[in-house]
Amino acid sequence: SQQGEEDPQALSIQEGENATMNCSYKTSINNLQWYRQNSGRGLVHLILIRSNEREKHSGRLRVTLDTSKKSSSLLITASRAADTASYFCATVRNTGGFKTIFGAGTRLFVKA
Amino acid sequence: KAGVTQTPRYLIKTRGQQVTLSCSPISGHRSVSWYQQTPGQGLQFLFEYFSETQRNKGNFPGRFSGRQFSNSRSEMNVSTLELGDSALYLCASSLGETGGELFFGEGSRLTVL
Repeated sequence: SQQGEEDPQALSIQEGENATMNCSYKTSINNLQWYRQNSGRGLVHLILIRSNEREKHSGRLRVTLDTSKKSSSLLITASRAADTASYFCATVRNTGGFKTIFGAGTRLFVKA
Repeated sequence: KAGVTQTPRYLIKTRGQQVTLSCSPISGHRSVSWYQQTPGQGLQFLFEYFSETQRNKGNFPGRFSGRQFSNSRSEMNVSTLELGDSALYLCASSLGETGGELFFGEGSRLTVL
């Protein structure tokens, strides 16, 4: 079973609006990462937040992490049509080697 | 720097056959992870190799196996293929020492008929 659960499963917004995706997980983590996937291709890393960090920014991306609630959110501001993709959170645990487990993903559609 | 290369990109097999997929990581990366992606189950972790040793394994039957060579290239093998093995198989490489960013290949799309 997956470590993370994401919601919403799908999100449709207009260009220029903000998109927020949420991720919950079950166990302690080393860090949490967000990835993007365009239609059946490989995943691309977006941002990493460590377990001792609460918020991180990268360009139009803002990630928060609440380890007490075991949850994270990804905010994409001023969305563009090119942001249309699936977004996955991934939790990383050190189990004698780093194990990265992905959530089910959120499909984002940005209408031009 | 060349990215992660997976071969073949597409393949079609029939039930009962076996398949071997190959992954060449980014130069200098010692960790290779494999994932199976299907519409129903999402991205499922198969296994992770670091310096030729399997460090982590997912919940897949023994028909799924892998290995890593001294040059960090990795292969995964699926024997006695079943229809449910149809999926996109993704390989990702990383330095492997800090739990950082994974770099993914474009995947091998396997169809089992």
